[in-house]
Amino acid sequence: DGGITQSPKYLFRKEGQNVTLSCEQNLNHDAMYWYRQDPGQGLRLIYYSQIVNDFQKGDIAEGYSVSREKKESFPLTVTSAQKNPTAFYLCASTRGGGTDTQYFGPGTRLTVL
Amino acid sequence: AQKVTQAQTEISVVEKEDVTLDCVYETRDTTYYLFWYKQPPSGELVFLIRRNSFDEQNEISGRYSWNFQKSTSSFNFTITASQVVDSAVYFCAKRNYGQNFVFGPGTRLSVLP
Repeated sequence: DGGITQSPKYLFRKEGQNVTLSCEQNLNHDAMYWYRQDPGQGLRLIYYSQIVNDFQKGDIAEGYSVSREKKESFPLTVTSAQKNPTAFYLCASTRGGGTDTQYFGPGTRLTVL
Repeated sequence: AQKVTQAQTEISVVEKEDVTLDCVYETRDTTYYLFWYKQPPSGELVFLIRRNSFDEQNEISGRYSWNFQKSTSSFNFTITASQVVDSAVYFCAKRNYGQNFVFGPGTRLSVLP
């Protein structure tokens, strides 16, 4: 079955620690995205990548970093510089064309203790 | 960024009632794409429909139907004979050709037994 996997589902972190969220897709999609969702809120774009070894900042990139070394993988690191990291993080992908539908993974809920 | 508005923050209906979720978008473009996603309590966004700006035909899929009206920049979603399993947050989104997605803030639908 093709799809997007995110791990772990729940993640707890102490203040001051970096943490990396995993996102893998086997849809052969070119573009991948990271969104943040706060309780009762919509989605805000953190980073996106349209091709391997290239990525761009979204609307709220500060305190986050990404890499895109492989087409199927787009990990997100939440650094200690992110002041309020507790949120639900969603990874998504599209085939890559300018009109394509975005498909989402199951999400990772990060809680900072 | 051009905005997507979902004016209804929360809606509650009783099972078997019909319910319409409103979506109004801003655009200065002739080519764009509109989407609806469902986010059940599990958190994953599930794709429901994609429409391009050149196709104003209404669409029906089972109990779901969508009404796209360019004259009012609206793309409303109706659930007929609602069921408890329809309880979720529903997001409307817009994508201009080659651009990133813009999501509305979401409407939380509660279907009571």
